[in-house]
Amino acid sequence: GAVVSQHPSWVICKSGTSVKIECRSLDFQATTMFWYRQFPKQSLMLMATSNEGSKATYEQGVEKDKFLINHASLTLSTLTVTSAHPEDSSFYICSATRTGDEKLFFGSGTQLSVL
Amino acid sequence: QKEVEQDPGPLSVPEGAIVSLNCTYSNSAFQYFMWYRQYSRKGPELLMYTYSSGNKEDGRFTAQVDKSSKYISLFIRDSQPSDSATYLCAMIKAAGNKLTFGGGTRVLVKP
Repeated sequence: GAVVSQHPSWVICKSGTSVKIECRSLDFQATTMFWYRQFPKQSLMLMATSNEGSKATYEQGVEKDKFLINHASLTLSTLTVTSAHPEDSSFYICSATRTGDEKLFFGSGTQLSVL
Repeated sequence: QKEVEQDPGPLSVPEGAIVSLNCTYSNSAFQYFMWYRQYSRKGPELLMYTYSSGNKEDGRFTAQVDKSSKYISLFIRDSQPSDSATYLCAMIKAAGNKLTFGGGTRVLVKP
């Protein structure tokens, strides 16, 4: 149990375009989902926390208009990188947790490359 | 000073040896502790979860928590080359809160 699916695993896009990443909890209802960014050989950096049906809470320094997060259902959250630029190239990972559970379960990550 | 300190390694051990990993933390509000394994370009995989001081064993893995010293450890017995990965400690104050990670330790198990 506790499987989190993330799609796509790899995406290349042109500068100026938008990219959507999906995160689904397959066998549980995820009341809270987190989005992380990871640079090579570094730990995970939390970008935002999203609760189903409400606006996401962004960490300091993360542009909410660039990284749009939607958590429309208890099993799906999406991250849209708008008007992507090469500096947005990174590894993005989502995670999900069940109500009352301290454990976080992670998706497999999405490598975004912006040309 | 970071809330959670973890030696980045790399930690290189021969196959079959015991891998010993640890993290220290400064905030006594952390109550729940986790160890994740992350392979390159993959999401972290939950290995161990503990919430009380003491030892917890699961197969080749043993997690140890010492809340009085603010110190947690992970031991991997009979290490295999497939255990080569980055290991991240993580801790949380309560359900729904943000998870705080250590920086990760890169482990290399040589055949």
